[in-house]
Amino acid sequence: SAVISQKPSRDICQRGTSLTIQCQVDSQVTMMFWYRQQPGQSLTLIATANQGSEATYESGFVIDKFPISRPNLTFSTLTVSNMSPEDSSIYLCSVEDLANEKLFFGSGTQLSVL
Amino acid sequence: SQQGEEDPQALSIQEGENATMNCSYKTSINNLQWYRQNSGRGLVHLILIRSNEREKHSGRLRVTLDTSKKSSSLLITASRAADTASYFCATDGSSSYIPTFGRGTSLIVHP
Repeated sequence: SAVISQKPSRDICQRGTSLTIQCQVDSQVTMMFWYRQQPGQSLTLIATANQGSEATYESGFVIDKFPISRPNLTFSTLTVSNMSPEDSSIYLCSVEDLANEKLFFGSGTQLSVL
Repeated sequence: SQQGEEDPQALSIQEGENATMNCSYKTSINNLQWYRQNSGRGLVHLILIRSNEREKHSGRLRVTLDTSKKSSSLLITASRAADTASYFCATDGSSSYIPTFGRGTSLIVHP
């Protein structure tokens, strides 16, 4: 199993500012995933982050808006840039457990943009 | 696009009752998973059922899978107030092993 420390757990931000969310894993993992969960909605995959290469973004998400860093095999950041109220969501990082074909999740960042 | 769709969207029951949640999906899968989310926090993996399996048990959880109907159900027996949470099904797809999540069922268990 993997333990993921995600922070901040919540933040209230002003329109036009940026927020960087961090995820630290207690073991080395190849891929980390970033999800967005809008209020009352499902999880939507934003991007997949591999160490040593650029993140792979899903349709509807772009690097300028959601830049991702993956400096090593245990850490990743997601930045939500130039925020608007529509960015108010829960953001979740996740890693895969290849052996058991499941995902482990961080505790989430609840973001409110005013 | 969303693969799984849970039904009902919300379920309210008394402690001790059973809770049944359903998930329907559109394309063929290799496996289907159920996750639980407490109060908008991180998701916790509950159970995985493979496409060649029909039923699986884990403690008070029972999952069924009907690939002919492209549907799955999660049964929580003898529910407890602590089972109050949102429950999501997640399916992999033919082109990706990364799970796609449904909208979830919000379960409230009244003590």
